[in-house]
Formats: sequence, structure tokens, C-alpha cells
Amino acid sequence: DGGITQSPKYLFRKEGQNVTLSCEQNLNHDAMYWYRQDPGQGLRLIYYSQIVNDFQKGDIAEGYSVSREKKESFPLTVTSAQKNPTAFYLCASMDSDNQPQHFGDGTRLSIL
Amino acid sequence: AQSVAQPEDQVNVAEGNPLTVKCTYSVSGNPYLFWYVQYPNRGLQFLLKYITGDNLVKGSYGFEAEFNKSQTSFHLKKPSALVSDSALYFCAVRVDTGRRALTFGSGTRLQVQP
Repeated sequence: DGGITQSPKYLFRKEGQNVTLSCEQNLNHDAMYWYRQDPGQGLRLIYYSQIVNDFQKGDIAEGYSVSREKKESFPLTVTSAQKNPTAFYLCASMDSDNQPQHFGDGTRLSIL
Repeated sequence: AQSVAQPEDQVNVAEGNPLTVKCTYSVSGNPYLFWYVQYPNRGLQFLLKYITGDNLVKGSYGFEAEFNKSQTSFHLKKPSALVSDSALYFCAVRVDTGRRALTFGSGTRLQVQP
């Protein structure tokens, strides 16, 4: 089955630590996205990539970094500079303009 | 800038009654509009979309939505609610140019009582 796989499902970060969230898709989609979900705020865009080896900042990129070395992979690193990282992180991909984005099942990040 | 408003944090409806979840949007350009549903600790599932064409859009699980350009609205509807429809619903918009990323509303929790 085609889809998006996010891992791990739950992640804990210690103070001063960087953590990386994995996102892999086998849908052959060009575009990939990272969103952050906080209660009552909907989803906010962190980073997006419309093609391999290229990515752009979204609305809340500070304290995060990404890479897009392969079409199927778009990992997100939450750095120690992100002072409030506790949230539910969702990865998505999209094929073309007329199609909806497909979402993974998310990673819940908490502070130890 | 584009934005989406979902004015109701929660909608309560009895099983078998019709339901409406409201959404209004603001964009510069032609809007692409989407509804998604989210169950606890899961990702978002696509319900329906409006790109162009008929203003009444039919989607998954008996849901439909009506695009109203003059009122900039895209309300989600279902003629007869089920208890299993209870979930968090998100409206989202993007335009046909630029970064192609979605702007989401804050979400509406739908509670269907048996």
C-alpha cells in the first residue's frame, strides 16, 4: 500500500538535545511538507520542499531544520533552539496542484 | 496572505440529524478548498475538495460541501449524522500560485450524540 510513514510515533527530548523526526513516502510525490499541530491552533507550516535538493521555510521555521536528499524522504530536525517543541508533528506529500495532500500519522514530541 | 476561519470550536448534533460545520476563507486569487477529518492521535484524512466547477462538492462518507464565492464560504454538511462521525474537522485553503502549501483553520470538534 502506498502512503506516508512517520517515525517514531512518540519521542522525548532532553534539554539542549537535537532530535530528528523521520518521514518517508512511497507515493512518488514531488512535494513534501512538515506541519506542527498545537491544541486549538490548527496546523502551521514549518518547512516544505517542492523538489529534491530544494526546500523553503514555512511560517514557523525558527528552531527547525530539514533536508531533502531523496524524493521519498524529508526528515525534520528539532534543534535545541526551539524552546517550545512539545507538539504533534505531521508530514504530508502532494502529487500535483489539483490533488489533496496526503498525511502521515504523526509524531508526538514531548520534553523530558 | 491567505486565512481560514472556523468560527465554532465544537458542534453538537444528535445522531440522524443533519450537521453543518462552518468555514470561511480569505485569499488573493482562485481558492483551492479542502476538508479533512482527524481522529485521536492520527493524521488527517481527506474528505473532499473544491478546485473548480460545480459549487456543490460530494466527498467521502456521505459528506458534501458548498462553495459560495460571494460569501467566501465552504461549509461542510451531511444529511444524517452518525456517532462515528465524531472527530476533529479542518478546513484548508491554498491558491493556484506560489508555494502550494495549505493554510488550515483552527478546527471544529464534532460530537454526535446517540
